[in-house]
Amino acid sequence: GAGVSQSPSNKVTEKGKDVELRCDPISGHTALYWYRQSLGQGLEFLIYFQGNSAPDKSGLPSDRFSAERTGGSVSTLTIQRTQQEDSAVYLCASSSGTFRETQYFGPGTRLLVL
Amino acid sequence: QKEVEQDPGPLSVPEGAIVSLNCTYSNSAFQYFMWYRQYSRKGPELLMYTYSSGNKEDGRFTAQVDKSSKYISLFIRDSQPSDSATYLCAMSARDDKIIFGKGTRLHILP
Repeated sequence: GAGVSQSPSNKVTEKGKDVELRCDPISGHTALYWYRQSLGQGLEFLIYFQGNSAPDKSGLPSDRFSAERTGGSVSTLTIQRTQQEDSAVYLCASSSGTFRETQYFGPGTRLLVL
Repeated sequence: QKEVEQDPGPLSVPEGAIVSLNCTYSNSAFQYFMWYRQYSRKGPELLMYTYSSGNKEDGRFTAQVDKSSKYISLFIRDSQPSDSATYLCAMSARDDKIIFGKGTRLHILP
């Protein structure tokens, strides 16, 4: 079946604008994760959704970042009042297991804030 | 000290050589150890997964975990140009978020 999809694949925005990034997980996967990957940096955990449980937001870098997951499927990551340091690749992953290690990643959204 | 340390490379080796990639870590609670491969402009894909210490082999790939030394390795035998990618080590404690290394860029020279 289809893998994890993300849109848009690329996004260029001006500083101060809001952006929305979308993730479609693998059908039936109950867990969904957002990561950020900056040049020369590893994957930085942002947020984790598991079923109907309250999301783990411990990785969100500031209150400008938020995410929601509707109907236990599609997720949207929103960055308000974007800053240049928000420029990065935003990766979404999903998994079906109870442990977090079996994650399948999407291709990412490349965000450039001018 | 960072939780996971990984040399960013780049590492260039000739085709057919054995490649050795490794990571060190500081958190003794880590039990699950993974290697992901990431091609340019793609998301990471899980390559190898190991629980606790020991070796695991899958085709040309062998993952080793030495918990006493807090050191993990990935070996690639008979390396191919298609193995050129960034390799990220990753690890987690039970029911906790995964911590990734920064990745090692590998170039296999034809």
